[in-house]
Amino acid sequence: AQSVTQLGSHVSVSEGALVLLRCNYSSSVPPYLFWYVQYPNQGLQLLLKYTTGATLVKGINGFEAEFKKSETSFHLTKPSAHMSDAAEYFCAVIPPGQNFVFGPGTRLSVLP
Amino acid sequence: DSGVTQTPKHLITATGQRVTLRCSPRSGDLSVYWYQQSLDQGLQFLIQYYNGEERAKGNILERFSAQQFPDLHSELNLSSLELGDSALYFCASSVILDTEAFFGQGTRLTVV
Repeated sequence: AQSVTQLGSHVSVSEGALVLLRCNYSSSVPPYLFWYVQYPNQGLQLLLKYTTGATLVKGINGFEAEFKKSETSFHLTKPSAHMSDAAEYFCAVIPPGQNFVFGPGTRLSVLP
Repeated sequence: DSGVTQTPKHLITATGQRVTLRCSPRSGDLSVYWYQQSLDQGLQFLIQYYNGEERAKGNILERFSAQQFPDLHSELNLSSLELGDSALYFCASSVILDTEAFFGQGTRLTVV
């Protein structure tokens, strides 16, 4: 069965530092890939997605992610963390012909 | 605002009771998903409907049921409620299958 792993259930960075949230999936066929963000007491909001084409995808709030087929990865980055980035981040995939599979989530804390 | 509307936002009920959660998808979206989010289980996929038909079933208990109506809104029915059913219940919708989903703000269910 398809699975999504997110390394680190909790990541802390200083304000202004690089944000790197890791996502790996298990699939021999590249799926569609997504990152969602969940702020406290809110629903999940789509940050960015990869379906086909350019492997570096830009999303909202300065985030971007790169699809690396050889590494089955879709890591999320942001050059400079802001306090408002503190939230839970979910990586998700849609394998061909299948349904959404969400990762367990990574809680990002931004320290002043 | 994702365009997905869930009601009610909060619900407090006693064990053994039955509740109905309602979801109105974004205009034009044919697919509706239901998810349960709890602290210990993370984001769990319950069920998906597409244009009125059940398309996929996840970790949905037999005490739970759902349906999608001709106007495409959906309801999730939870019966014989237990303390462990306390969670956030999210609805999400998408235009077609295999594309990004947009989440509502959720219904926070508390069973006492």
